[in-house]
Amino acid sequence: DIQMTQSPSSLSASVGDRVTITCRASQDISNYLNWYQQKPGKAPKLLIYDASYLEIGVPSRFSGSGSGTVLTFTISSLQPEDIATYYCQQYDNVPYTFGQGTKLEIK
Amino acid sequence: QMQLVQSGAEVKKTGSSVKISCKASGYTFTSRLLHWVRQAPGQAFEWMGWITPFNGNTNYAQKLQGRVTITRDRSINTAYMELSSLRSEDTAMYFCARSKGSGPVAFDIWGQGTMVTVSS
Repeated sequence: DIQMTQSPSSLSASVGDRVTITCRASQDISNYLNWYQQKPGKAPKLLIYDASYLEIGVPSRFSGSGSGTVLTFTISSLQPEDIATYYCQQYDNVPYTFGQGTKLEIK
Repeated sequence: QMQLVQSGAEVKKTGSSVKISCKASGYTFTSRLLHWVRQAPGQAFEWMGWITPFNGNTNYAQKLQGRVTITRDRSINTAYMELSSLRSEDTAMYFCARSKGSGPVAFDIWGQGTMVTVSS
């Protein structure tokens, strides 16, 4: 199975900050990676697919980049409503696997 | 609007089985793969398998082979996930999720989740 190592596991930042989360894959996954946001008690929400494509309706402050084994997710200007846990998910191979998540808090 | 609605929470005994439903509405049920994903408390998401609602083809995570069965009823736009020989480590929130399209395996619509608690 492809292991997805997500870092950091938690992050505290101020409103307006630029925030970056990294996912490292145990093998080359090209750009076969998605990013999700999950708020407490809710199902995840798809934000980015194919590493860098913004899902319809998702604010443009969210972005993704990278390919191969290191992929990143960025919030360009953190907003209070962005408080959530963020997950990466690879689909290069079954079983599709997820990172452990990054819990984002407001400083 | 497009949505997936799952059946309610379940409490099961060790060794028994559970069957969860996922009803699709607002889109053509047969047009997209339907996946099952679970999240145990404090753990990462775990992909369990998918079904092609059009023809019923399935693909399961090897770890769960022999214990998981995903089916569908096209007449009522509903998919089902049955997990047998339940263990305490199967205690988790179970989600159904739709594949975005024929390209990326991205889950663009999710059910609300079904909590399954397994105890002796």
